[in-house]
Amino acid sequence: QSALTQPASVSGSPGQSITISCTGTSSDIGKYDFVSWYQQHPGRAPKLIIHQVVERPSGVSLRFSASKSAHTATLTISGLQPEDEAEYYCCSFAGTDASPWVFGGGTKVTVL
Amino acid sequence: EVKLVESGGGLVQPGGSLRLSCRGSGFTFSRYEWNWVRQAPGKGLEWVAFTSEHPPRTYYAESVKGRFTISRDNVESSLYLQMDNLRPEDAGVYFCARDTGRASADVWGQGTLVNVSS
Repeated sequence: QSALTQPASVSGSPGQSITISCTGTSSDIGKYDFVSWYQQHPGRAPKLIIHQVVERPSGVSLRFSASKSAHTATLTISGLQPEDEAEYYCCSFAGTDASPWVFGGGTKVTVL
Repeated sequence: EVKLVESGGGLVQPGGSLRLSCRGSGFTFSRYEWNWVRQAPGKGLEWVAFTSEHPPRTYYAESVKGRFTISRDNVESSLYLQMDNLRPEDAGVYFCARDTGRASADVWGQGTLVNVSS
């Protein structure tokens, strides 16, 4: 499968809200309600911030929310804070005929 | 504390082999399914392999199929990735990740660096 499509970069000022889109196909995002989002700071391991499209793991800030419509998933970060500056990756389940996981290319979030 | 620690990375020549290990602690290793995910230098995340026991299943990315083998030892609370016939494009940081179902992993190791170069 091809990678999911994310914008290369998104920026915002502290306190603002930003959205990151993640576009897939009818074989992944459009077919399964299994989209996750990961935050990765430089030199660190990814951190799960959203799973099953909209679910936040325990301990993840309420400022992170997500949704899905058709073939596109969206991550929203509200009340942007300096520590939100990181790379964000979407990931979708894509069945078991080939690679079960497919990632997006990543979006660099810059807090201005 | 729930923790994963990878080891086994290093420099290897093209065509060579490496075996990565990932040891878990602070939880019951046998209860989970497992993944390896890699990240080439300056690039994004790429899923590599998955293993489960109930039912027994393994899946591989097309880019590593036939060259990499994922395995586990529940007694040792360890996950492994045997990497054979390595190519320069296999270079990067390899993470083990605890699966929580369908493209979701809630615990990740710190990663181990693999360099494939002559």
